[in-house]
Amino acid sequence: DVKVTQSSRYLVKRTGEKVFLECVQDMDHENMFWYRQDPGLGLRLIYFSYDVKMKEKGDIPEGYSVSREKKERFSLILESASTNQTSMYLCASSFLGGDEDLGGYTFGSGTRLTVV
Amino acid sequence: AQSVAQPEDQVNVAEGNPLTVKCTYSVSGNPYLFWYVQYPNRGLQFLLKYITGDNLVKGSYGFEAEFNKSQTSFHLKKPSALVSDSALYFCAVRDGQTGANNLFFGTGTRLTVIP
Repeated sequence: DVKVTQSSRYLVKRTGEKVFLECVQDMDHENMFWYRQDPGLGLRLIYFSYDVKMKEKGDIPEGYSVSREKKERFSLILESASTNQTSMYLCASSFLGGDEDLGGYTFGSGTRLTVV
Repeated sequence: AQSVAQPEDQVNVAEGNPLTVKCTYSVSGNPYLFWYVQYPNRGLQFLLKYITGDNLVKGSYGFEAEFNKSQTSFHLKKPSALVSDSALYFCAVRDGQTGANNLFFGTGTRLTVIP
């Protein structure tokens, strides 16, 4: 089975801290994604990556950055955490391929981040 | 631009009754459509997809969805609901024409199956 592993299930951080959320996938997927999930807003794309050292902004990149130094690992960085970044963060991965690979995304279990 | 609408935040259905969770979409090209389910404190799990071909798509756990191009809809259905189907359901769309790989998600519908 494809696995997407997020390093922390729950995190509590203080305002102004630099926060790292880690995501690792084990199926050699090219694409990796970071979403945040908030009630009533669904999933909103923060950043995504098609390849190593490649990144693209999603719909809400402000206050975030990402790093993809290895194909299997995609890190989300909150440069200076704020209370409005309290949320559930979901990592996902998928193949870059053609229609036969369009099985959608595989998601991690999520990291619930609270910024106090 | 692509978008997805899930018009119902909450759907309640009695166990054993048929269920429908609604989804409409908007894309400029051909739609690739997906349904995902999220159980409490878990990530999203893939249920089914429509890429091309038969408009009725069957997926995991007895769920199916019907692609209706004229109504731009992709409603999720199940003939007989189980209490264990209670979860948060997300519809998602990708524009098959642009080649972009990212999915756009709806806001989710919480399904509660009443025993």
